Amino acid sequence: SSELTQDPAVSVALGQTVTITCQGDSLRRFYASWYQQKPGQVPVLIIYGQNNRPSGIPDRFSDSSSGNTASLTITGAQAEDEADYYCNSRDSSGNLVVFGGGTKLTVL
Amino acid sequence: EVHLVESGGGLVQPGRSLRLSCAASGFTFDDFGMHWVRQAPGKGLEWVAGVNWNSDSIGYADSVKGRFTISRDNAKNSLYLQMNNLRAEDTALYYCAKAMEWEFDSWGQGTQVTVSS
Repeated sequence: SSELTQDPAVSVALGQTVTITCQGDSLRRFYASWYQQKPGQVPVLIIYGQNNRPSGIPDRFSDSSSGNTASLTITGAQAEDEADYYCNSRDSSGNLVVFGGGTKLTVL
Repeated sequence: EVHLVESGGGLVQPGRSLRLSCAASGFTFDDFGMHWVRQAPGKGLEWVAGVNWNSDSIGYADSVKGRFTISRDNAKNSLYLQMNNLRAEDTALYYCAKAMEWEFDSWGQGTQVTVSS
C-alpha cells in the first residue's frame, strides 16, 4: 500500500480548471513532486519543490500544499493533458521514496 | 542531453536472479543520486531502490528489501540492480531514474522483467 493517496480518476471539460490531490502524512514535512505519464510513454516530471516547473512544462500546471495534502492544478486543461498523474515524495521516515497510486485524468 | 539506457531484463523463473544495468550519459553521473522505479502491467509507479552519489546512502522499498541490491560504478557511469529470489509480483517495466534531490527529472525507457515458470 502507498503512503500517498490519490483519487483514481478525475475528469475535466476542455479549457476548464482541474485539481488533482495527493494526501499523506509525510507531506506535512516534505514537498510533493508531480509526474505526467501518457499511454506507452515514460513519466515526465512536471512539478517539483515549491511549485517549480522544469524547462518546457507549460505554466498552466501549478501546485500548492496545505497540511497533509498536495494539489496539482491544471488551469485551462488541454486535450493533450489527458494522462495519468503521479505524486511522489519522501516517506514518513524521510529516508525512502513513495509514489501515490496515480490519477487518470480525462479531458472531456 | 541526459540519456539513460536500461538493459538486462528478460523472462526468468521464480526464485532465479537477474541483474539490470543502466548506462548514463549527458551529465556528470557522480553528482547525482540514482534510483530504480518499476511499473507492473496496467499499474502505477512503484519506487524500488535508490543510491546517493557516492553510495553511502542506500534505500529499498519494503517489497524488495533483502532480495534486491542497488549499486553504482561512477567510473563507468552505470547503475545496477541485482535482483535475487524473484517472484511473480516482481514482473514489471523497470525504469532507471536520475534524481535532483528526491524528485526524478530524467527517466530511461525501461527494461521489462517477467517472472514466470
